[in-house]
Amino acid sequence: DVKVTQSSRYLVKRTGEKVFLECVQDMDHENMFWYRQDPGLGLRLIYFSYDVKMKEKGDIPEGYSVSREKKERFSLILESASTNQTSMYLCASSPSQAEAFFGQGTRLTVV
Amino acid sequence: SQKIEQNSEALNIQEGKTATLTCNYTNYSPAYLQWYRQDPGRGPVFLLLIRENEKEKRKERLKVTFDTTLKQSLFHITASQPADSATYLCALGSGGGATNKLIFGTGTLLAVQP
Repeated sequence: DVKVTQSSRYLVKRTGEKVFLECVQDMDHENMFWYRQDPGLGLRLIYFSYDVKMKEKGDIPEGYSVSREKKERFSLILESASTNQTSMYLCASSPSQAEAFFGQGTRLTVV
Repeated sequence: SQKIEQNSEALNIQEGKTATLTCNYTNYSPAYLQWYRQDPGRGPVFLLLIRENEKEKRKERLKVTFDTTLKQSLFHITASQPADSATYLCALGSGGGATNKLIFGTGTLLAVQP
């Protein structure tokens, strides 16, 4: 059974902290994605990666960075967390031009 | 900029009827389009994928159409059931490699009344 695992289900961080959200997939997929989901705004793409060490900006990359050192792991980094980054963060992986598999999501609250 | 629009208002239908959800897009030439279901507090779950050279795809009670001229996809659930109540998202994908972006619409909330 395919699996995308996000490191935390709920996270509370302070303003200004550096935050790491980890995502691991066990399906050997080339592509991995990070989205945030806010009420009324849907899923917005932050960054995606199509291969190890390769990354592309999505629609809202400001304030975020990513790392993909190994094929199975894609990390999202909030360099200096701010309250407007409070959101649900969803990681997904997919083979090329095929269905995406999502993790369970991380609800991040920045106080 | 690229834009995907789905019915912003919730869709309420009676059990047994056919639900039809719409996805329109602009400034985009997708290689494929997907539909997902999302339940509260969970990640989206894939339902169907249709490619740019396909007009229609079916899976059990689900049917998707894709009109690249109109830049629109319709998603149908026939013989709807209360268990079909959820938010439905459409997503557009392009080519492979660095262009393999997958972007989502805002979703349509479907409520099937018994």
